[in-house]
Amino acid sequence: QSVLTQPPSVSGAPGQRVTISCTGSSSNIGAGHDVLWYQQFPRTAPKLLIHGDNNRPSGVPDRFTGSKSGTSASLAISGVQAEDEADYYCQSYDSGLSGRWVFGGGTKLTVL
Amino acid sequence: EVQLVDSGGKLVQPGGSLRLSCTASGFTFDFYSMSWVRQAPGKGLEWLSYISGTSLETFYADSVKGRFTISRDNAENSLYLHMNSLREEDTAVYYCARGLWSGYYTGFDFWGQGTLVTVSS
Repeated sequence: QSVLTQPPSVSGAPGQRVTISCTGSSSNIGAGHDVLWYQQFPRTAPKLLIHGDNNRPSGVPDRFTGSKSGTSASLAISGVQAEDEADYYCQSYDSGLSGRWVFGGGTKLTVL
Repeated sequence: EVQLVDSGGKLVQPGGSLRLSCTASGFTFDFYSMSWVRQAPGKGLEWLSYISGTSLETFYADSVKGRFTISRDNAENSLYLHMNSLREEDTAVYYCARGLWSGYYTGFDFWGQGTLVTVSS
């Protein structure tokens, strides 16, 4: 059972806007800790997609945006493309008993 | 270019031991904290262990505390994970990851390619 909760799967047609939610608690996202998002293709390492809630590292397309409110965060992909089909993980820091750096269970994005 | 290369994974029997390595290049290794993160087959990501740049601070997830030890050799730009009393549930791909600093270490900005550890008799 992951500390952060994500939907197991989402889908969308090319060009649509897709969002992935990430629900935490008062000891992680709700405590104001940064939310990060990672993209992972099969049999490859995760890649940092969003940090500091809504900041993109160099090279990440601007169709990926992050947001946070209260104990939840979201990743939005506007104009989803076939190459975006991958697993997405949210992550934050937890100042409670759950462990320090905690992840969501991951969301599989299928581009229809 | 930042590069992290993981190695050392193999098939090991339950109760056995193993040492994983991560060799870093392209950045000043001792300026950064490092962590190990694992991913069981078909499962999500799990943070395991953290070590500060000076090795003065180490942290562990409850699932590995007392069995795994993290260490680093800054002269060799290398990170290690010493794994003892291995269990079948430790079967996973193990990644080293560089800490991302933003006032505190918030997450991980670069990852190794991963190394597979299989615990089975």
